[in-house]
Amino acid sequence: GAGVSQTPSNKVTEKGKYVELRCDPISGHTALYWYRQSLGQGPEFLIYFQGTGAADDSGLPNDRFFAVRPEGSVSTLKIQRTERGDSAVYLCASSASPGHPTDEQFFGPGTRLTVL
Amino acid sequence: GESVGLHLPTLSVQEGDNSIINCAYSNSASDYFIWYKQESGKGPQFIIDIRSNMDKRQGQRVTVLLNKTVKHLSLQIAATQPGDSAVYFCAEQYGNKLVFGAGTILRVKS
Repeated sequence: GAGVSQTPSNKVTEKGKYVELRCDPISGHTALYWYRQSLGQGPEFLIYFQGTGAADDSGLPNDRFFAVRPEGSVSTLKIQRTERGDSAVYLCASSASPGHPTDEQFFGPGTRLTVL
Repeated sequence: GESVGLHLPTLSVQEGDNSIINCAYSNSASDYFIWYKQESGKGPQFIIDIRSNMDKRQGQRVTVLLNKTVKHLSLQIAATQPGDSAVYFCAEQYGNKLVFGAGTILRVKS
């Protein structure tokens, strides 16, 4: 597709379970970002990948959160031992020219995670 | 610290009127700002951006104003249409990440 895609669109899980959220960036984009958006709030930065490596993971809230991008394209955000407070929309974005001060980040539709 | 905030959580305007959405930022070192539009169930969509060496930038029906003296950003939408109804966020580029404000809901009344 032409845009960033994310799967699943909705995920309902139980407290304590493990979840994986997938992001397919725009083809050719080397930079990939994960954000988390709670209800009524703006997105909050989680992690940024340049190629396969996590260049900035300062936004990950704790060690239950982990993300990978093994081949420099698709990324997976992994959350262990989910808590009710993890419920949010998880947004992925990609950009073509990382580090350029005006490089546009294109966002996917997000995955809505609900932890019961 | 790094924070971006909005003055008005909800703005209702009549179709055809102009809309003004405001945003205050706290990081005086920021040099790049972006306005995003987010519709229900979708990710944020880029509207317009501005560098700190400018005080005004115009797009199609939208204008962004930057006042660095008071650290204030505004988005003006001309001839507001029903399709403009959405949540609008200002964001500040901070290194490689975006720092977003809480958002303003724009409701367009027909």
